[in-house]
Amino acid sequence: SQTIHQWPATLVQPVGSPLSLECTVEGTSNPNLYWYRQAAGRGLQLLFYSVGIGQISSEVPQNLSASRPQDRQFILSSKKLLLSDSGFYLCAWSVFGYRTGLYNEQFFGPGTRLTVL
Amino acid sequence: DQQVKQNSPSLSVQEGRISILNCDYTNSMFDYFLWYKKYPAEGPTFLISISSIKDKNEDGRFTVFLNKSAKHLSLHIVPSQPGDSAVYFCAAYNTNAGKSTFGDGTTLTVKP
Repeated sequence: SQTIHQWPATLVQPVGSPLSLECTVEGTSNPNLYWYRQAAGRGLQLLFYSVGIGQISSEVPQNLSASRPQDRQFILSSKKLLLSDSGFYLCAWSVFGYRTGLYNEQFFGPGTRLTVL
Repeated sequence: DQQVKQNSPSLSVQEGRISILNCDYTNSMFDYFLWYKKYPAEGPTFLISISSIKDKNEDGRFTVFLNKSAKHLSLHIVPSQPGDSAVYFCAAYNTNAGKSTFGDGTTLTVKP
């Protein structure tokens, strides 16, 4: 069965410090991978998505970046965190043909709660 | 411009009654609509979806209705149970764009 891992679960970082969040997927090949952020009381904002190794699409201009060094690994990074980067970060995957026949169903990881002080 | 809107931030329902969660969208290019359920400090989990060529999809206690002309969909939960208490996100998928757009969520509370 497919599983998705995210770590760390919680993170407290000072403003201006770097960030690296990692997400890995098991049990599937060639997934689409996504990074979302949920700010307090808000919905899910798509930050990045990737359809393959080294292919990254950015949705929102910001000081975050993403990389996909391996098929099932997705990394979210920042060189200098801002207060506004605080939130709940979620990684998700989808695969063509799973259940509904298209890429539309996504499977989410447990999330990382980031607090920037 | 928010393309997917859930205008009710919260909804409270008595156990055994019907819960109706609503969602409106603006982009005609969306061709699939999905509902996700989310508990605190966890990732959302897929609940039910509907293609834009259909107007109803049912799965157990959950039914999603789509009114394409009104660009409106709703999720019905019958009967509601306390375990249904969670945040429900509506999402709209654009196949050409290859991504989903989420609403802000509705917090459902089912009272015993």
